[in-house]
Amino acid sequence: EAQVTQNPRYLITVTGKKLTVTCSQNMNHEYMSWYRQDPGLGLRQIYYSMNVEVTDKGDVPEGYKVSRKEKRNFPLILESPSPNQTSLYFCASSLLGISNQPQHFGDGTRLSIL
Amino acid sequence: AQTVTQSQPEMSVQEAETVTLSCTYDTSESDYYLFWYKQPPSRQMILVIRQEAYKQQNATENRFSVNFQKAAKSFSLKISDSQLGDAAMYFCAYRRRSNDYKLSFGAGTTVTVRA
Repeated sequence: EAQVTQNPRYLITVTGKKLTVTCSQNMNHEYMSWYRQDPGLGLRQIYYSMNVEVTDKGDVPEGYKVSRKEKRNFPLILESPSPNQTSLYFCASSLLGISNQPQHFGDGTRLSIL
Repeated sequence: AQTVTQSQPEMSVQEAETVTLSCTYDTSESDYYLFWYKQPPSRQMILVIRQEAYKQQNATENRFSVNFQKAAKSFSLKISDSQLGDAAMYFCAYRRRSNDYKLSFGAGTTVTVRA
């Protein structure tokens, strides 16, 4: 089954404790992206990657890191989480070259930073 | 930067009736894509319908249809014969046609369906 898998689905942690949210897709998609969803703001892009070793900032990259060492994986790293990073996070992926291709989303990760 | 505005935070509809969700966007591009996504309580993001800006014909998917007004930069979603399973948050999203695959989302509209 074609899917984007995020882990964990829920995480409660404390300020300053490094954490990683994993994202993996099995569709051989080149493009992957992270979004955060906050009430009243919709989803906003954090980082994206057009292919292996190619990443770039989205609209709200501060406090986040990403890496793309393999095509299928695109982890989101919070080196020193703060309470303002409490949010619902989505990973998404898409094929490149087919311009009307919709993005496939993971099921979301609810992060709470205390 | 593109902005997408959904002016209705909440909408309520009687089962079997029709509801229309509004969306406006701001862009200087002439070619782009517009999407409506549904997010039920399970939090999944489910693509409902998409529209390509160069196509004048409004997209339709079963009970879901759009009214795309390019000059007005308006992209409303009509849900006909509403069902209880339609209850969800709905997001309007914009994407340029270029290699920038970023989706710009509106704030969302929560739809409640009354039995």
